[in-house]
Amino acid sequence: AQTVTQSQPEMSVQEAETVTLSCTYDTSESDYYLFWYKQPPSRQMILVIRQEAYKQQNATENRFSVNFQKAAKSFSLKISDSQLGDAAMYFCAYRSAMTSGTYKYIFGTGTRLKVLA
Amino acid sequence: GAVVSQHPSWVICKSGTSVKIECRSLDFQATTMFWYRQFPKQSLMLMATSNEGSKATYEQGVEKDKFLINHASLTLSTLTVTSAHPEDSSFYICSARVPGGAETQYFGPGTRLLVL
Repeated sequence: AQTVTQSQPEMSVQEAETVTLSCTYDTSESDYYLFWYKQPPSRQMILVIRQEAYKQQNATENRFSVNFQKAAKSFSLKISDSQLGDAAMYFCAYRSAMTSGTYKYIFGTGTRLKVLA
Repeated sequence: GAVVSQHPSWVICKSGTSVKIECRSLDFQATTMFWYRQFPKQSLMLMATSNEGSKATYEQGVEKDKFLINHASLTLSTLTVTSAHPEDSSFYICSARVPGGAETQYFGPGTRLLVL
């Protein structure tokens, strides 16, 4: 069975600085999807970025980028030029790409990011 | 695009009553929706996968007679908490799968349930 591990329960970053959130996963599959979701105090889950495992190029969305290391089964999220609005819980998620799969996500336990003014 | 709504956002009910929560995909058709439960400061716990026109698939440990799921159309899934008790108080979140591409799930804003 697949597992997703976020080893940092809480992180802090100074406004305008860069922070990296860690995520590792365990799977025997070769094709899958990885996601980072943000959950601010409103508790609305917001997609931050996604990565298809077959793509070697790291995904980037404005100030958010990932470092996808398939062999190491690592999927870290880098937030550049941190803003106060980035303060939230961040969840890493895995989804199998198998066509016979159930489409369900496996979530990590989350990392709470605090942004200091 | 890919907007998911949930109603109600807040509900308070008496112990023993049933509560229905609606999840709608507003701008796309969702053959698959998911229901999660989230306890304070914890991750999302998948309760069940809801497929349009068929029975929901429940995760291990989730009582299907307690949490009734109906997915009668391509844009609406409902979760009914039957005979609610205080221990059912929680934050319930739905999501809908956008088919094709990266198979992304988009989430509703959640429903906070308080059972007195």
